[in-house]
Formats: sequence, structure tokens, C-alpha cells
Amino acid sequence: NAGVTQTPKFQVLKTGQSMTLQCAQDMNHNSMYWYRQDPGMGLRLIYYSASEGTTDKGEVPNGYNVSRLNKREFSLRLESAAPSQTSVYFCASTLGDLYSNQPQHFGDGTRLSIL
Amino acid sequence: AQTVTQSQPEMSVQEAETVTLSCTYDTSESNYYLFWYKQPPSRQMILVIRQEAYKQQNATENRFSVNFQKAAKSFSLKISDSQLGDTAMYFCAFISPNTGNQFYFGTGTSLTVIP
Repeated sequence: NAGVTQTPKFQVLKTGQSMTLQCAQDMNHNSMYWYRQDPGMGLRLIYYSASEGTTDKGEVPNGYNVSRLNKREFSLRLESAAPSQTSVYFCASTLGDLYSNQPQHFGDGTRLSIL
Repeated sequence: AQTVTQSQPEMSVQEAETVTLSCTYDTSESNYYLFWYKQPPSRQMILVIRQEAYKQQNATENRFSVNFQKAAKSFSLKISDSQLGDTAMYFCAFISPNTGNQFYFGTGTSLTVIP
């Protein structure tokens, strides 16, 4: 049982390039999340998806887009990468719906550097 | 808006000793949940313990326990019989059904267990 799988684990981009971070969970969870983690800032929510076909903005959505492709997969896209988006990105999922309070299961993270 | 504050950026403890990590939060909500997450060097976030605000009794999970003071909006984590594997970043987190299922994280406390 893999849990939450993120790809890639590391990526270096040039300013202006685009890329998509992939996330998949095999726990039949309803809700999925994308966070970024910067030094001294803790985790900040970028986007979340309460269920297949729905997405909502979190605390820091600017510069990102997401797609909830199906129940298993939730991707994060940077259309035009900027150095300020250098960070570690975490995907997470929870069993419950939008108003449940189940603990989140996290992936291993993607370390993204933008030059 | 909800805020979560961890005022101890770094802490250390001798192996087998007890250590307490502090967390305070600010909210106007009455129904909410609090979590402690552990992030070892592997970077994956692991749920340590969960507390429901409407429960008076402090949550415990083996060597981990919390001191939940709702009036003071304090949620500290006590680790007993510290082990080398407890070395990690620890994050306090808040969620309420009335905040759209968004998690709010503190900035973390880096705990080192000294052999």
C-alpha cells in the first residue's frame, strides 16, 4: 500500500518554464491538498480538492493551477515558474469530505528549485 | 483568521528524558481539531496525535500526550522516554469545519534527541 505518491522528487527549472507536479493516492480518499513548505514558514495551503471534479483556493494560490483528474490524482501546475516558487511541495489526502476532520496523509515531497 | 504559533524554533532533550513542545492558537471557532505532526529528515509528514476541542480529556498515544487548555488556547505536546527516532521537526496544526477544511500549521519546532 503506497499511500500518497508524488513525482518527481527533485526538479530544477529556469524562470518562465512550466511544469506539472503529480500526486496520486491509493487509499480511496475524497479530499486532496497541495502545500508548499518554506524555511521558517511552516506549511501553507496552495489548493485543495474536496472531491473529484472540485477544486478550491487555499492561502497562497497565485501562480498555480490544479487539476483533480480523478479520485486518485491531483496535479499542481506552474505555468510560468518564478524564483519565489522555489520550495518543497507536499501533497496530502484525507478520507473525509469537506467538513470532516480526518488526519491527513502526506507524500514524501517534491523539492523544486527555480533559477 | 486562524493562527497557530510555535514559539520554540529548536529544542533538545537527552535520550530517555521527557520534553514538552509548546503550541498556541487563535480562533473564534468553538468546534475545531488540533494535531501534532512529525516530519523526520525523510521529509514525510506523520500524524502524531489528534485532539478534538469538545473533548475535555487530553489525548494520549503511547509515549505522546497533549496538554490541551481550551480557555488559554494552548496545545502542548509531551514526549516521554525520548528516543533517537523522535528527532524531527514537529508541527502543530488547526482545522475547523467552519474554515472550509483548511489546515493551518505552525512554523515548527526542531527537536533533537541526544544520545
